Order: sequence, then C-alpha cells, then structure tokens
Amino acid sequence: KNQVEQSPQSLIILEGKNCTLQCNYTVSPFSNLRWYKQDTGRGPVSLTIMTFSENTKSNGRYTATLDADTKQSSLHITASQLSDSASYICVVSEGGSYIPTFGRGTSLIVHP
Amino acid sequence: NAGVTQTPKFRILKIGQSMTLQCAQDMNHNYMYWYRQDPGMGLKLIYYSVGAGITDKGEVPNGYNVSRSTTEDFPLRLELAAPSQTSVYFCASSYSGTGSEKLFFGSGTQLSVL
Repeated sequence: KNQVEQSPQSLIILEGKNCTLQCNYTVSPFSNLRWYKQDTGRGPVSLTIMTFSENTKSNGRYTATLDADTKQSSLHITASQLSDSASYICVVSEGGSYIPTFGRGTSLIVHP
Repeated sequence: NAGVTQTPKFRILKIGQSMTLQCAQDMNHNYMYWYRQDPGMGLKLIYYSVGAGITDKGEVPNGYNVSRSTTEDFPLRLELAAPSQTSVYFCASSYSGTGSEKLFFGSGTQLSVL
C-alpha cells in the first residue's frame, strides 16, 4: 500500500529562524511529489512540484529537495515569517494513477 | 475566475438527517474530487470523477453519494448522517488528473453531526 509519512508532526519556531520538514514515501512507481500549504480554515495550496529528475527547487523562501533513490523529500523554510504558520502537506503521485497519496501534514507555528 | 467554490461553509446536522454539499469549479477542469479531513489525519478520498457522467469510489465512500451531471458541478450527498461523518470536507479539481497537475481546493465545509 502506498504511504506518505511526514515528520515532525508539529513544530514551533521563532520568527526569523529556519526549519526543515521531512517527507518519506513508499509510492511506486513514482510520478511526482508536491508540497502543499494549508492555512487554518482554508484548502491546501500547491507550493512546488518535484519530478524524478529534480533534486532541488526553490519558490521564494521555500526550498524543496527530492532524493528519489531513498524516497525522501524535504521542505526548507528560510527566515520564517508569522504567515508561514500553517500545515504543510506532502502529496505523492503514482505513475498512471488519478489518485495522489496524502501525508498527514506537519503543523508549523511561528512565534514572534 | 472564482476557482473552486464550496457551500455551505458550516453546517450542523442531527443524526439521521440528509444534506448535499455543493461544489462548483469554473476552470473547465475534467477531474473533481471529494476529500474529508479529520483532526491530525491526512485527507481521505471519498469519491472522484474524471468527467461528466463518470464517478468512482475513493478510500472512504460509505455513507456518501455523488453525481456529476455537468463539468462544473460535483455535489456530495450525505444520507442518514452519523456522528462519524463529523469532519471538514474539501472539494478539489484538476484539468487532466495525470498526477502532474496540481489540485485546486475549495475552502471547505465544516460539518458537525450531533
């Protein structure tokens, strides 16, 4: 069964600090991996997509990495802001499938 | 474009009542999905549709029904509501459903069954 595991489950950091969120998956065959940001009371919004051939991709202060050999991805947030407080969800798509597999998310709280 | 619109935002039902959660998208997307999100859990797929007139079950379909008569609309029907259906429901859509397309989500419907 395809699985996506995220760690940590929750994280509290001070404004301005950096943090890294982890995602491990067992989805096979692998198609792509997306990171979504879900603000409280809102639906998830895509931050970035990683395909098999990509190792690193940045979107402003967000940098995602992918190691397809170890089936791991990370999302690094630089110089955190209060608006980064949200749940970050790792979603992995299987080749040929309409249905992606969702992780449970990491809840990030940024304190002033 | 409004994107994906869900109504209502909040609803309280009594056990045994029925209701329909509405979902509409104006992006001409072929693929539409219904998810439920319980606290601390990942999104669970209830039903999905690959086009008008075509629907299929997801991971947790029991107690729900869907229809897709138009490309734009994908309502979710709850029959005989139960406390286990207390959750936040999200509708999502994508153009091709190939997996490389990102999902666009609505803002959710928070449902409580008492």
